[in-house]
Amino acid sequence: DAEITQSPRHKITETGRQVTLACHQTWNHNNMFWYRQDLGHGLRLIHYSYGVHDTNKGEVSDGYSVSRSNTEDLPLTLESAASSQTSVYFCASSEGLAGVGETQYFGPGTRLLVL
Amino acid sequence: AQTVTQSQPEMSVQEAETVTLSCTYDTSENNYYLFWYKQPPSRQMILVIRQEAYKQQNATENRFSVNFQKAAKSFSLKISDSQLGDTAMYFCAFMGQAAGNKLTFGGGTRVLVKP
Repeated sequence: DAEITQSPRHKITETGRQVTLACHQTWNHNNMFWYRQDLGHGLRLIHYSYGVHDTNKGEVSDGYSVSRSNTEDLPLTLESAASSQTSVYFCASSEGLAGVGETQYFGPGTRLLVL
Repeated sequence: AQTVTQSQPEMSVQEAETVTLSCTYDTSENNYYLFWYKQPPSRQMILVIRQEAYKQQNATENRFSVNFQKAAKSFSLKISDSQLGDTAMYFCAFMGQAAGNKLTFGGGTRVLVKP
C-alpha cells in the first residue's frame, strides 16, 4: 500500500547542531508539505513543494530549509537547532493534479527535542 | 491572511451521545475548501470530512456531519453516536484558492468520550 513515512520518529539533539528530518511518500504525489505542531497553535506550515526542484517558504520558515531532488522525498533541515524548534513535525502530501482543494495525507510525525 | 478559530479547547461527551465542535474562519475568497482532521493519541492526522464552499449541501461521512454556513463563515462538526474511539484532538482547516494547496489550521478541540 502507498504510504507516507517519517524518520526518525523521535530525536533528541543539542542546540546549534544541524538536524535533518526525512519524509518519504510512495503515492507519487507532486505536492509535499512540512508542518510543526505546538500546543495552542495547531499545525503551522514551514515549507512546501509543488514538484521536483520546487520549494517555497511557509508561515514559519526561519531556521529551516528543504530540498526536493525527486518526487518521493522532501527532507527538512534545521540549520542550527534552537530550543524554540522543539516541536512535533508532520510531513504531508497531496496529488497536485486537480488544482486547489486536494486532500492532504499526513505522515506519523517526528517528535524533536532540542536541549 | 486567513485565520481559523476553534473556540472550544476541550469538550466531553458520553458514549452514544452527540457532540458539536465549532469552527469559524475569516476569508475574503468565494471559492475555498474546509476540512476536519482527527488526531488520536497516536498523533496520526486523519481526514474526517471535506467540504467544498461552492456546494450548499453539507458533507456527511458516516457518524460525522458538518453544518456549513457560508455567510456566517462557520463550519461546525457534529459527531453522532459518539464512540470511545472518537476520543482525539479535532482540527478544522481552511484551504483557499489564493493560497494554492496550503492548509491553515485552527488551534484544535480536544474531545473526550466517556463510557
